[in-house]
Amino acid sequence: KQEVTQIPAALSVPEGENLVLNCSFTDSAIYNLQWFRQDPGKGLTSLLLIQSSQREQTSGRLNASLDKSSGRSTLYIAASQPGDSATYLCALLDSNYQLIWGAGTKLIIKP
Amino acid sequence: EAGVVQSPRYKIIEKKQPVAFWCNPISGHNTLYWYLQNLGQGPELLIRYENEEAVDDSQLPKDRFSAERLKGVDSTLKIQPAELGDSAVYLCASSGTSKYEQFFGPGTRLTVL
Repeated sequence: KQEVTQIPAALSVPEGENLVLNCSFTDSAIYNLQWFRQDPGKGLTSLLLIQSSQREQTSGRLNASLDKSSGRSTLYIAASQPGDSATYLCALLDSNYQLIWGAGTKLIIKP
Repeated sequence: EAGVVQSPRYKIIEKKQPVAFWCNPISGHNTLYWYLQNLGQGPELLIRYENEEAVDDSQLPKDRFSAERLKGVDSTLKIQPAELGDSAVYLCASSGTSKYEQFFGPGTRLTVL
């Protein structure tokens, strides 16, 4: 059974720092992996989607990588800003077209 | 292109009362999903529709939860009667023919008192 783990559950860093969020999974048979952002009490905003054949995707200050062989994905945020404070969730689309979710990492950027 | 629409955005009810949530997917998307998200956790799939057919409702607590998508477009999720533990965010998503990406609505935050 596919399991998705995000460590740490919470992270607090000073503004301006670069940071990495981690996502690990147990089964490499996936179609894609997606990173989402969720603000308190809000819905999900898709940030980046990496196809299983891809190694990384970039959007602005965000870069997501995927290593299926090791069962890992990372979300790199450059030059963090207070507005980046949110919960970040990773989800992968398994071979049954089901999204399997991590529990998220709550990120706080201190001004 | 309009995104997934959900209403209401917030709902507060007393336990044992009924409640209903509505979702309108992106135009042309045949697949519709309802998820439940508890605080501090990732979403959990409740039910998946292909057009008007519920193809995966294995995680739907059928004693109190029901859903319908009568014309294969918009959908309603109902809880009757609501319990304290039902307090959560209820998310709706839709996907097109490829099913490779799901698009999420803003969610409905339910509080049961």
